Amino acid sequence: GAVVSQHPSRVICKSGTSVKIECRSLDFQATTMFWYRQFPKQSLMLMATSNEGSKATYEQGVEKDKFLINHASLTLSTLTVTSAHPEDSSFYICSATLGPDTQYFGPGTRLTVL
Amino acid sequence: GNSVTQMEGPVTLSEEAFLTINCTYTATGYPSLFWYVQYPGEGLQLLLKATKADDKGSNKGFEATYRKETTSFHLEKGSVQVSDSAVYFCALSDGTNAGKSTFGDGTTLTVKP
Repeated sequence: GAVVSQHPSRVICKSGTSVKIECRSLDFQATTMFWYRQFPKQSLMLMATSNEGSKATYEQGVEKDKFLINHASLTLSTLTVTSAHPEDSSFYICSATLGPDTQYFGPGTRLTVL
Repeated sequence: GNSVTQMEGPVTLSEEAFLTINCTYTATGYPSLFWYVQYPGEGLQLLLKATKADDKGSNKGFEATYRKETTSFHLEKGSVQVSDSAVYFCALSDGTNAGKSTFGDGTTLTVKP
C-alpha cells in the first residue's frame, strides 16, 4: 500500500523555539494532506488540511500563526510549531488521501517541549 | 455534526477469545466507515472499511458490517492473538474526503497469553 513518512519521529526542544515536522508521501502524489494532533490516551483531532500550492485550511480553535503549514510540493507538507510551549507537547500525525475513501497515515512525531 | 461513539476500554482478553468492540455513529447522508489500529508509538493503520450499507469489511481475521438501521459498525474477531494488542479507532468520513474523518475515542485492547 501507499506509504507516508514523517520526520523526525521524536523531537525535544526548549520552550520558545520553533520545530518543523515533515510529512512525505513516498510513492504517490498527494494534493491534500492532513495534520492531526493526538493527546495521550485520546483520539485524533484534525488540526488542518494542507493544500498543495495554496493556503492551509485550519479547523476551528487551531491557531494558524502558531501552527504554520506549508505544502510546497505534491509529496511534501511541513508543520512548524512556532514558539513552542510545554502545552504544545503532543503526538502529531499527518495523513494523505488516495481517492475519496482511503487515507494513509504517517508514523507520527512525538514532540516534547521542555 | 458527525460523531462516533466507541465502547469504552480498556479491554483485556485471553488469547483465542472472541472480540467485539462496539461502534455507533451519527452522521448526515451516507458516510463511509473505517476501523484503524494503532500500535504503541506508531501512527494509524487502516484495518478495514465499508462504504455503503450492508457492506462487510474484513482483514486479518477482523470484520465489521455497516448497519444503517442501527447506525453501527462493530468490530469482531473470532480468536484474538497477543499481537492484536493495540488501540482500535472507529471513524467515519462523508465519503467525499477521507481525510476529514471523525474518530471515536479509541479502545485499548490487551491480549494476554
